[in-house]
Amino acid sequence: AQTVTQSQPEMSVQEAETVTLSCTYDTSESDYYLFWYKQPPSRQMILVIRQEAYKQQNATENRFSVNFQKAAKSFSLKISDSQLGDAAMYFCAYRTHYGGSQGNLIFGKGTKLSVKP
Amino acid sequence: EAQVTQNPRYLITVTGKKLTVTCSQNMNHEYMSWYRQDPGLGLRQIYYSMNVEVTDKGDVPEGYKVSRKEKRNFPLILESPSPNQTSLYFCASSWTRSGELFFGEGSRLTVL
Repeated sequence: AQTVTQSQPEMSVQEAETVTLSCTYDTSESDYYLFWYKQPPSRQMILVIRQEAYKQQNATENRFSVNFQKAAKSFSLKISDSQLGDAAMYFCAYRTHYGGSQGNLIFGKGTKLSVKP
Repeated sequence: EAQVTQNPRYLITVTGKKLTVTCSQNMNHEYMSWYRQDPGLGLRQIYYSMNVEVTDKGDVPEGYKVSRKEKRNFPLILESPSPNQTSLYFCASSWTRSGELFFGEGSRLTVL
């Protein structure tokens, strides 16, 4: 069974600085998707960035980028020029690409990010 | 605007009083799913649906029912709610069972 581990329960960053959130996962599959979701105090689950395992190039979305290391099964999120609105719980998630599965997202336990002004 | 809409967003009810949480998506997605989020337990899948009239149990289906009579709608039914079903519920959808999952805004349910 696949698992996702986020080893940092809480992180803090100064406004305008850069922070990296860690995520590792375990799977025997070769093709899958990885995601970072943001959950602000409003509780909504917002997709930040996605990575398809067969793509070697790291995904980037504006100030958000990932470092995807497939062999190491690592998927970290870098937030550049941190803003107060980035403060939230961040979840790393895995989803298989194969048919026959129940299609669920497997989430890590989350990292709570605080942004200091 | 592409979205997944859940209602109600907040609900307080009493043990045993049947309730339904509605979910609707406007993206023509085939796959829909329900999750519950609890402190310390994370998000867990309750039920999912691959298409109209095709539903199956997720990891924590006990005490819940679903139906998928139309492609856009996937209601979650609690026939006889109990306090252990107090939770934050999310409906989500995607084109297939892989790829990006789009979430609704969540429904906070309290069962007294």
